[in-house]
Amino acid sequence: NAGVMQNPRHLVRRRGQEARLRCSPMKGHSHVYWYRQLPEEGLKFMVYLQKENIIDESGMPKERFSAEFPKEGPSILRIQQVVRGDSAAYFCASSPFSTGNTEAFFGQGTRLTVV
Amino acid sequence: DAKTTQPNSMESNEEEPVHLPCNHSTISGTDYIHWYRQLPSQGPEYVIHGLTSNVNNRMASLAIAEDRKSSTLILHRATLRDAAVYYCILTSGNNRKLIWGLGTSLAVNP
Repeated sequence: NAGVMQNPRHLVRRRGQEARLRCSPMKGHSHVYWYRQLPEEGLKFMVYLQKENIIDESGMPKERFSAEFPKEGPSILRIQQVVRGDSAAYFCASSPFSTGNTEAFFGQGTRLTVV
Repeated sequence: DAKTTQPNSMESNEEEPVHLPCNHSTISGTDYIHWYRQLPSQGPEYVIHGLTSNVNNRMASLAIAEDRKSSTLILHRATLRDAAVYYCILTSGNNRKLIWGLGTSLAVNP
C-alpha cells in the first residue's frame, strides 16, 4: 500500500503564474487535509476535504487559493497568480476518518518557489 | 483553538531516555493530544496520540497529566534517527484538524 503521494516534489513558478499541487491519498482514505509550512515555522491548516466535498476551508486565503477532491483522481490545491509570499512547503495528509482519534499520514510535500 | 507550549530545543545522548514536555492548559474535553515528528526536508510522521490515559506503542510512550493540561512524550532509548522536530498537537473542532505549534527540535549526540 503506497503512502500519500504528492507531486511535484519541487515546483518553481514566476509571479503571476498558476501552481497546481497534487495529492493522492492512501488507498481507502477519503479524508484529505492540506497544510502549509513557511520556513522555520510549524504547519498551518489550510483545508479539509472529503470525497467531492470541502468540509472546512477556514485556513485557506479567500482569494487565489482553491482545493478539490474529485470522485476520481487526486486532490488538487490550486494557487492562481502566485506571489512571492506563497513560497512554502505544502503538505497533504490523509486518514480513513477525521484525525481526532486516528493518525494522519503525510506526503513528502511540494516545495513551491515563486521567483 | 487550544494552543500548546513546548521548549524550543532539547538535547539527548544516544541510547538514553528522552522526555519531551508539552503544556496545553486550555485543552477542551474532546481534544486529543497528538505527537508528530518531522525530519529535515520530510513530511511529518505520526508518533502517538491519546485522550486521557497513558499510551504506549513501538515508537514511544505518552504520559498525560490527570488534569490533561500537560503531557510528556517519552522516547525510551534515543537513536541518531530520532533527531527531529517534535510537535505536540491538539485536534480541534468537529473535523479534527491538527493545530500545530513550533515544536521542539531534538538533537541526539552520539
